Amino acid sequence: ETGVTQTPRHLVMGMTNKKSLKCEQHLGHNAMYWYKQSAKKPLELMFVYNFKEQTENNSVPSRFSPECPNSSHLFLHLHTLQPEDSALYLCASSSRTDSYEQYFGPGTRLTVT
Amino acid sequence: GQSLEQPSEVTAVEGAIVQINCTYQTSGFYGLSWYQQHDGGAPTFLSYNALDGLEETGRFSSFLSRSDSYGYLLLQELQMKDSASYFCAAYNTNAGKSTFGDGTTLTVKP
Repeated sequence: ETGVTQTPRHLVMGMTNKKSLKCEQHLGHNAMYWYKQSAKKPLELMFVYNFKEQTENNSVPSRFSPECPNSSHLFLHLHTLQPEDSALYLCASSSRTDSYEQYFGPGTRLTVT
Repeated sequence: GQSLEQPSEVTAVEGAIVQINCTYQTSGFYGLSWYQQHDGGAPTFLSYNALDGLEETGRFSSFLSRSDSYGYLLLQELQMKDSASYFCAAYNTNAGKSTFGDGTTLTVKP
């Protein structure tokens, strides 16, 4: 049990669909992250939130829209995705953005058809 | 820019010792972390080095040499369950984030 949960665990969506990924952390952390992990590729940082404020947008296409209503919840809204967006989307949290120790959720396996 | 290099694959036998190296080129380097990720699972934190030297945590140890921009993860008494991907990650104080290496896939054979 890592204290970070993600839903759904698996998602299949068409290119015209709109869906949202949810992440919740129960660790009292104040920094949260979205990562993309494609098959056989390294973790790619997408977004960073610190105390609900976005502090990093790593040149992510606008079809990915993050939302952080509070320090415990993080969403990733998806719309008009492309097949190459199929990947494992991982959420992580840490005690602060300068923490070297991040706690990851189990991820959402996304398939875009 | 930030870059980390680590071998793509390593194979070892049960009971053996294996070392996974990581070299980095990053500005504002603060420390080096190591994560383990089993196939289909989430990365889990293993260790962190901010200072030069060896940090030991059970069967796993991690080493850092700032002057050489180099670190390694040492796994002793390998077990089958150690088969996984291992990522090094360099923490950058200027950017306030960690950059991950490409990962090393460790296969432990009987």
